[in-house]
Amino acid sequence: QKEVEQDPGPLSVPEGAIVSLNCTYSNSAFQYFMWYRQYSRKGPELLMYTYSSGNKEDGRFTAQVDKSSKYISLFIRDSQPSDSATYLCAMRNNRLAFGKGNQVVVIP
Amino acid sequence: ETGVTQTPRHLVMGMTNKKSLKCEQHLGHNAMYWYKQSAKKPLELMFVYSLEERVENNSVPSRFSPECPNSSHLFLHLHTLQPEDSALYLCASSQEVRTVEQYFGPGTRLTVT
Repeated sequence: QKEVEQDPGPLSVPEGAIVSLNCTYSNSAFQYFMWYRQYSRKGPELLMYTYSSGNKEDGRFTAQVDKSSKYISLFIRDSQPSDSATYLCAMRNNRLAFGKGNQVVVIP
Repeated sequence: ETGVTQTPRHLVMGMTNKKSLKCEQHLGHNAMYWYKQSAKKPLELMFVYSLEERVENNSVPSRFSPECPNSSHLFLHLHTLQPEDSALYLCASSQEVRTVEQYFGPGTRLTVT
């Protein structure tokens, strides 16, 4: 089993829809859970991170962590064409592991 | 811009060439990283430097040789690469090695012919 599993997509949604992304992982020692956004021809940028289980909201973005299920999610409300990008999940304890990234296309 | 710059942005090299990738961060950070990003694969951490000292080397072939002359600059020296080394090479920095937030440069798109 891969350490971090993430469906690479692509995921196409109409503008205004809710985008739902998720990752599963196998290492129960992970404590920090991050979501990065990567536009074409750019490096990843950190969107948000959470420590341990729970929810975190930042504007239109909500991150959820369920450590009991080893499952993390990112929701994007009222999606915009500018949200079209690849979204990478990442997690760490004393080492860092990334998912493959999930390409999202928001159609105007 | 993130405060991390990388040059060149694109590089095509033959398997017998020697080239170097350069990274510079203007954020006053103490930790710097090299990552490899290949299509349909997770981001792979290659090297970690803390205050110019290499603290992590993740089983990277010796044809990749990092150099960190000071806390603002990081190089990746390349020699006798293979076609499967073609990828996007990303540099990142963070305040300290344990800091969660890392700032990435735009990457160097490397093609080995």
